[in-house]
Amino acid sequence: DVKVTQSSRYLVKRTGEKVFLECVQDMDHENMFWYRQDPGLGLRLIYFSYDVKMKEKGDIPEGYSVSREKKERFSLILESASTNQTSMYLCASSSRDRGKDSGRDTQYFGPGTRLTVL
Amino acid sequence: AQKVTQAQTEISVVEKEDVTLDCVYETRDTTYYLFWYKQPPSGELVFLIRRNSFDEQNEISGRYSWNFQKSTSSFNFTITASQVVDSAVYFCALSERNNFNKFYFGSGTKLNVKP
Repeated sequence: DVKVTQSSRYLVKRTGEKVFLECVQDMDHENMFWYRQDPGLGLRLIYFSYDVKMKEKGDIPEGYSVSREKKERFSLILESASTNQTSMYLCASSSRDRGKDSGRDTQYFGPGTRLTVL
Repeated sequence: AQKVTQAQTEISVVEKEDVTLDCVYETRDTTYYLFWYKQPPSGELVFLIRRNSFDEQNEISGRYSWNFQKSTSSFNFTITASQVVDSAVYFCALSERNNFNKFYFGSGTKLNVKP
């Protein structure tokens, strides 16, 4: 079974703090993703990475950065947390499709981190 | 424009009722993939099904069934004889061949199954 773990289920931080959210997957997946989930807005992609040290901006990258130093680990960084970053953060991973059809590989999700910024 | 629309924000049913969750998508790609995920109160999104655009055959898995119709750009999900454990938020998602592993999620439908 694919296993994606996230470092914390619940996190409370103060405005201005630097926040690290960690995600680890054990399936040797090339792709990893960070989403945030807010009521009524569904899931929105923040960043994704298709290889070690590679990253691509998603739909809402402002205020976030990421790091992928090892294949199994993808970190989301809030350089200076703000109250509007209070949200549920979900990490996902998928294998890269080397066939002629890209985009078909299923994303497997971690349990999520509910972050509150006070 | 939204690529995936789940018009039903919340649905409530009584246990043992059948319920259908609607999903309408929009894409110009001829090759694409559709997914359904379940998010129980614990928060983790659980993968349910993936369908590719070349396979319109409906699928049944136990009490779950999926109806894919390209003519109406819909990929609806039916739960037969619903149970309380089916209570969750369900997301439909789309990925396109020309957009490397990017998923477009609908806004989700919250299903409440009452005993």
